[in-house]
Amino acid sequence: QSVLTQPPSVSGAPGQRVTISCTGSTSNIGAGYGVHWYQQLPGTAPKLLIYDNNNRPSGVPDRFSGSRSGTSASLAISGLQAEDETDYYCQSYDSSLSGSLFGGGTKVTVL
Amino acid sequence: EVQLVESGGGLVQPGGSLRLSCAASGFTFSSYWMHWVRRAPGRGLVWVSHVDGDGGDASYADSVKGRFTISRDKAKNTLYLQMNSLRGEDTAVYYCARGRGQWLQDAFDIWGQGTMVTVSS
Repeated sequence: QSVLTQPPSVSGAPGQRVTISCTGSTSNIGAGYGVHWYQQLPGTAPKLLIYDNNNRPSGVPDRFSGSRSGTSASLAISGLQAEDETDYYCQSYDSSLSGSLFGGGTKVTVL
Repeated sequence: EVQLVESGGGLVQPGGSLRLSCAASGFTFSSYWMHWVRRAPGRGLVWVSHVDGDGGDASYADSVKGRFTISRDKAKNTLYLQMNSLRGEDTAVYYCARGRGQWLQDAFDIWGQGTMVTVSS
């Protein structure tokens, strides 16, 4: 089944480091396709945070970092801030679907 | 300024049709693949469709295949999504997005603000 699985929620105290996992399969992440991460604040459009596994677009703080290994990828947020409390999505291409695939999303809560 | 602005959303009855538009500005429209992505209330992001720079190649999610048609007008710098045979499960905010490159596996680097489509009787 072609899905990208994310935990529904993660939480951390201000200043801490949190990670969000994105688990796929051999038809998407495991096939070597790039993983991208988006942040979506309430009522706004998604914003690209990380592209091609570990690259940050201009303007994205280096507190955000990405990695990929095998059929999984992760987004790390270090020095957690109140403004980071929102939804995050991973994305990759899936060869079985011949299309793009998003994870179910993860809600980050700052305690 | 690089910008995408969607329009055309609204309330439509089940089985009805709607055409969404996405006006692009600030970049060479024909050089980029374009996508539609939607987010249903209380749900996550779902990729809907893509079209290449020339408008000659397109693909669709299985959930909309045969009902939705993506197209683009290079002269008007506008992307479209024609939605037919609409169902309640099509209710969502629809976003247009620009692909970073000319591959389906590229990230979406510019997004519009979204337009709401509600399918209900």
